[in-house]
Amino acid sequence: DTEVTQTPKHLVMGMTNKKSLKCEQHMGHRAMYWYKQKAKKPPELMFVYSYEKLSINESVPSRFSPECPNSSLLNLHLHALQPEDSALYLCASRNVVLNEQFFGPGTRLTVL
Amino acid sequence: EDKVVQSPLSLVVHEGDTVTLNCSYEVTNFRSLLWYKQEKKAPTFLFMLTSSGIEKKSGRLSSILDKKELFSILNITATQTGDSAIYLCAGNTGNQFYFGTGTSLTVIP
Repeated sequence: DTEVTQTPKHLVMGMTNKKSLKCEQHMGHRAMYWYKQKAKKPPELMFVYSYEKLSINESVPSRFSPECPNSSLLNLHLHALQPEDSALYLCASRNVVLNEQFFGPGTRLTVL
Repeated sequence: EDKVVQSPLSLVVHEGDTVTLNCSYEVTNFRSLLWYKQEKKAPTFLFMLTSSGIEKKSGRLSSILDKKELFSILNITATQTGDSAIYLCAGNTGNQFYFGTGTSLTVIP
């Protein structure tokens, strides 16, 4: 099983809303990632959690707040977003031994 | 600065053609190189390469890594319209992945 799941698939929110993106994997992977992807661009790394600890934060604005409640779950809390934050948000997990990284299907976020 | 460069940026071929996609990398503490296929949704994993000269193969797709010259190629033989996608490569250093900008492949019937 190489499945990473993400909810919701689509999200439309206003600039004053608070929402959360959720990601789950049951492959026993101990590294989990959030990426942001704009159209016709490669994925852009936002955060990395390694063994449930935040190990990389790529200077992401504080309106994005990650959380890793346990080794299977990863959340991204959103607050006061801007229209330019509209993008595909991808979660990924990595087998830290084999180094294979698998992506979830993504959440298409639109900020109005 | 770590970087990954893919070429060509885009490619249009006819069904049945063979294509070669290129990926060169300059990644400090390099551990592996990964290839992904991205259609309209999320990237799907194709290959992970760590050793030079050992070809990985899956059906009509194959890939090889050259750690001396710092590049990898992805070959697709007997292309089909379903191969139309963006192909991404990424250099890995452990926790970090550095993505190229991708090659957009279009296969015409």
